[in-house]
Amino acid sequence: EVQLVESGGGLVQPGGSLRLSCAASGFTFSTSWMTWVRQIPGKGLEWVANIDQTGTIENYADSVKGRFTISRDNTKNSLFLQMTSLRADDTAVYFCTRDISPEKSGITYDAFDIWGQGTMVTLSS
Amino acid sequence: AIQMTQSPSSLSASIGDRVTITCRASQGIRNDLGWYQQKSGKAPKLLIYGASNLQSGVPSRFSGSGSGTDFTLTISSLQPEDFATYYCLHDYVYPRTFGQGTNVEIK
Repeated sequence: EVQLVESGGGLVQPGGSLRLSCAASGFTFSTSWMTWVRQIPGKGLEWVANIDQTGTIENYADSVKGRFTISRDNTKNSLFLQMTSLRADDTAVYFCTRDISPEKSGITYDAFDIWGQGTMVTLSS
Repeated sequence: AIQMTQSPSSLSASIGDRVTITCRASQGIRNDLGWYQQKSGKAPKLLIYGASNLQSGVPSRFSGSGSGTDFTLTISSLQPEDFATYYCLHDYVYPRTFGQGTNVEIK
């Protein structure tokens, strides 16, 4: 079965750190761009970061740049999000998702076809 | 960052209705846009990529169109399982940004 399973969420104090993990199975993880998306409960979606197949290219939302680091371990089919200097507005459900990167007429698009169930990160003092 | 504005923020419709949701980008994004459906308590689901390409397995009543700054998601005949929140997402440059969402409710 193709799936993504996030873990590592929890309650953390402002200024603290947390490392989220996403375990992939049922597909060739090492050939996929991967992305983190978050959602404040009851609110909209926010794109957080993505990483290329080899871990060489990383991109971040302005709101997390310099504080969060995305990484991957293809030998363990795992994606990570290291979060530091956490703030109250980082409270959210964090989803990992696979990008199938379809190509049409020479253009490669984002297309997030598999999502995990999400892991909740709560900031509270 | 490019801003994505969806309209309406919410709508009420009946089974069988034709529903159209609009997404406008703050600058031109070619056709680098996707649409996602999210039901309460669930992860989003990919519907459309590249503005008009239907993801495999998605019913043909869903369609997308547009280019540049203005895009639409159309549901040709609303079904009970389509009541959800819909989001657009551009992938033209980094950072990617989602629209604020459109909640489709039962009338």
